[in-house]
Amino acid sequence: TQLLEQSPQFLSIQEGENLTVYCNSSSVFSSLQWYRQEPGEGPVLLVTVVTGGEVKKLKRLTFQFGDARKDSSLHITAAQPGDTGLYLCAVISNFGNEKLTFGTGTRLTIIP
Amino acid sequence: NAGVTQTPKFRVLKTGQSMTLLCAQDMNHEYMYWYRQDPGMGLRLIHYSVGEGTTAKGEVPDGYNVSRLKKQNFLLGLESAAPSQTSVYFCASSYGSSGVRTDTQYFGPGTRLTVL
Repeated sequence: TQLLEQSPQFLSIQEGENLTVYCNSSSVFSSLQWYRQEPGEGPVLLVTVVTGGEVKKLKRLTFQFGDARKDSSLHITAAQPGDTGLYLCAVISNFGNEKLTFGTGTRLTIIP
Repeated sequence: NAGVTQTPKFRVLKTGQSMTLLCAQDMNHEYMYWYRQDPGMGLRLIHYSVGEGTTAKGEVPDGYNVSRLKKQNFLLGLESAAPSQTSVYFCASSYGSSGVRTDTQYFGPGTRLTVL
């Protein structure tokens, strides 16, 4: 059983469209992170959300932490080919605050 | 700063062979991690270290060993490679400040390993 479920697993849309991807769990977390991984590279941190209901914006990307701190969403407005990549959510695992547990990821492809 | 570097970038092994993957970071980070990434399974933690001379098991440690003799280096060893260890391996490091519950992890570019 995955601690974090991400959906959809794959998403392919046209440039200029909007999209939302989700990260869900039955557990409550003190914080949650979103990473983006481009082909052939390691993941890079996009944002950390720590407060239930928190919304953070990074240019065309909007991140929201659920009120109950069990889930999160990432919304991209007017998607561009540069947004193509694997989007991973991650939380502090139950083993200690030095370790992250990652979701399975959403692989996003933006078609020019 | 080079950040986190990994060597080699690619490697092909035969079943039963051994090898060591090297990770180096120049950010003076305390914590270092080794992950493997497989299709549909995300990143899974193999081993990690919270400081020079320390190591600990992660989620999938079997078949791997690690060493952290120097703060800037974290080595991952495969004693007897198996086809199930075919994967992309990522090293990461983080500052490791106590009380910071969402420390940023900085990842290397990965090593693609194939075991035949």
